[in-house]
Amino acid sequence: SQQGEEDPQALSIQEGENATMNCSYKTSINNLQWYRQNSGRGLVHLILIRSNEREKHSGRLRVTLDTSKKSSSLLITASRAADTASYFCATSGTYKYIFGTGTRLKVLA
Amino acid sequence: DVKVTQSSRYLVKRTGEKVFLECVQDMDHENMFWYRQDPGLGLRLIYFSYDVKMKEKGDIPEGYSVSREKKERFSLILESASTNQTSMYLCASSYRGTLQGRQPQHFGDGTRLSIL
Repeated sequence: SQQGEEDPQALSIQEGENATMNCSYKTSINNLQWYRQNSGRGLVHLILIRSNEREKHSGRLRVTLDTSKKSSSLLITASRAADTASYFCATSGTYKYIFGTGTRLKVLA
Repeated sequence: DVKVTQSSRYLVKRTGEKVFLECVQDMDHENMFWYRQDPGLGLRLIYFSYDVKMKEKGDIPEGYSVSREKKERFSLILESASTNQTSMYLCASSYRGTLQGRQPQHFGDGTRLSIL
């Protein structure tokens, strides 16, 4: 069953703009992670936020987590053409990770 | 850097064949996973393993089996391939860590499998 659901499904922006993607989930979590997938490749881990954290930064990435609303957002600032990819959130309980269906981001040069 | 290597990027097989997909990781990770990825459905967990010779069913294990005889290698087996198993297959690994479920997963580049 899919727990994480990303919104929007697709997003197209100009280079230099910010991109925001949202993720909603259904049950309690230990942590939430965001991954990027370039076309035809595997997923690459971007950032992990623990259930007791509200915000985390990594370079141009900013992730927030609201456990009361069971939602998270990923903000990419000053986007570049190289950021074009699909982005997935993943929630984890014990061993298992549950991935959402992803947001396809296209950054236009 | 962690490297997860899947044996084939592209594979074409016929219905009824027994198909083996191999995955090797070089970071001594305890956990290994097999997913399939289909448009609109995201990643779905087929099987995972948290130790040598240990395996657990994921969300869609039907038609698949796995083997983990060595810590670095996790094999996915399609016992009798069918056309609805045409998909992208992704292998991943992670450390068990001190707290379950807190470790990032490292993925291979995937095997795009076509069953004709």
